Amino acid sequence: GAVVSQHPSWVICKSGTSVKIECRSLDFQATTMFWYRQFPKQSLMLMATSNEGSKATYEQGVEKDKFLINHASLTLSTLTVTSAHPEDSSFYICSANRIEKEFFGQGTRLTVV
Amino acid sequence: GQQLNQSPQSMFIQEGEDVSMNCTSSSIFNTWLWYKQDPGEGPVLLIALYKAGELTSNGRLTAQFGITRKDSFLNISASIPSDVGIYFCAGQEMNRDDKIIFGKGTRLHILP
Repeated sequence: GAVVSQHPSWVICKSGTSVKIECRSLDFQATTMFWYRQFPKQSLMLMATSNEGSKATYEQGVEKDKFLINHASLTLSTLTVTSAHPEDSSFYICSANRIEKEFFGQGTRLTVV
Repeated sequence: GQQLNQSPQSMFIQEGEDVSMNCTSSSIFNTWLWYKQDPGEGPVLLIALYKAGELTSNGRLTAQFGITRKDSFLNISASIPSDVGIYFCAGQEMNRDDKIIFGKGTRLHILP
């Protein structure tokens, strides 16, 4: 299957700082990528759709100024959590579509202290 | 928003037993996907279904796309310890810009 790589796997940051998470499609081009958030023992919650060359589309209730998304190339989307606070601590996962299947990255565990 | 009803929430079974889980929705889906997620990892695609009535196998796993296009099931035969994890169904509604919706997951436990 297609490979989607996410980096870093985990990050600990201080409250008030910003954190960037990268999502790469390694063996295919992805015009659309998705960013999800997952709380412990919960399902995945779609945060936003990342579109190559245009603005991301955010789901209702997700602050676009808080979660900055940049999809600068067909193989890379980045999610920046700005001015992170402890309540932003979560598991963030990206995915990309290929031939009507959605493939996921390994996820990033963000802990804000 | 639209949610999928996935059941059961959790299962405790003996090694070697067969497992069945399902998902239902109130609207029609174009695609059904089944994923497995291990702790601290992203979901891994197990089976993808595209046509009503489609029955697809992947090793010991079998999944079907319901005739009404509003449901799907996943069966695991002869479970083994590495089957432990969380299984998610996911579906793509018609005309919804490639976005998919996830069920809440079925947590599979295998008793020693």
